[in-house]
Amino acid sequence: GENVEQHPSTLSVQEGDSAVIKCTYSDSASNYFPWYKQELGKRPQLIIDIRSNVGEKKDQRIAVTLNKTAKHFSLHITETQPEDSAVYFCAARPYNNNDMRFGAGTRLTVKP
Amino acid sequence: DADVTQTPRNRITKTGKRIMLECSQTKGHDRMYWYRQDPGLGLRLIYYSFDVKDINKGEISDGYSVSRQAQAKFSLSLESAIPNQTALYFCATSDAGDGDTQYFGPGTRLTVL
Repeated sequence: GENVEQHPSTLSVQEGDSAVIKCTYSDSASNYFPWYKQELGKRPQLIIDIRSNVGEKKDQRIAVTLNKTAKHFSLHITETQPEDSAVYFCAARPYNNNDMRFGAGTRLTVKP
Repeated sequence: DADVTQTPRNRITKTGKRIMLECSQTKGHDRMYWYRQDPGLGLRLIYYSFDVKDINKGEISDGYSVSRQAQAKFSLSLESAIPNQTALYFCATSDAGDGDTQYFGPGTRLTVL
């Protein structure tokens, strides 16, 4: 089955700096790659996703890039704010089943 | 998202007990999922269902069973709970017509002593 690895496990940045979280996946059949944000004690919430037919997607301060050849995708957050502090999860899902696999998560801390 | 609810929110039980976690949704979605979350392991899929007559095993189904009683309800059962099933459990729903984005419930914290 699919295996997703996520790095780094913790990330601390200064407010206003950029943050980058990287994930790799193993199954070339994967075609859907969402990113979820989970604040302390809350449920995961989708912040952005990308499908394999595009290489990049942007939504205000958040962007995701996908390299299908290398089987990796990344989350980029620009102009970070303290409210960006949370755990971020990447995930990958093959087109031929619905068994979504998540990365282990990255705890992002934005220091004011 | 208030449209996906889980009961109970917290539960403490003993080894060997049978326990059921319930999920309800008012989003009208056909697809429902159960995940467990453990520190350092992310979210792992237990079971998923595409409609009332469809049940599929996920990555870690051993020790669990599910029931899809209606489009809006999906229950997770632990027939004989064991301590390593202590975790945070999330239900999620999605609509294939909406890009299949998954919406999570608030979670159930289960402790097995």
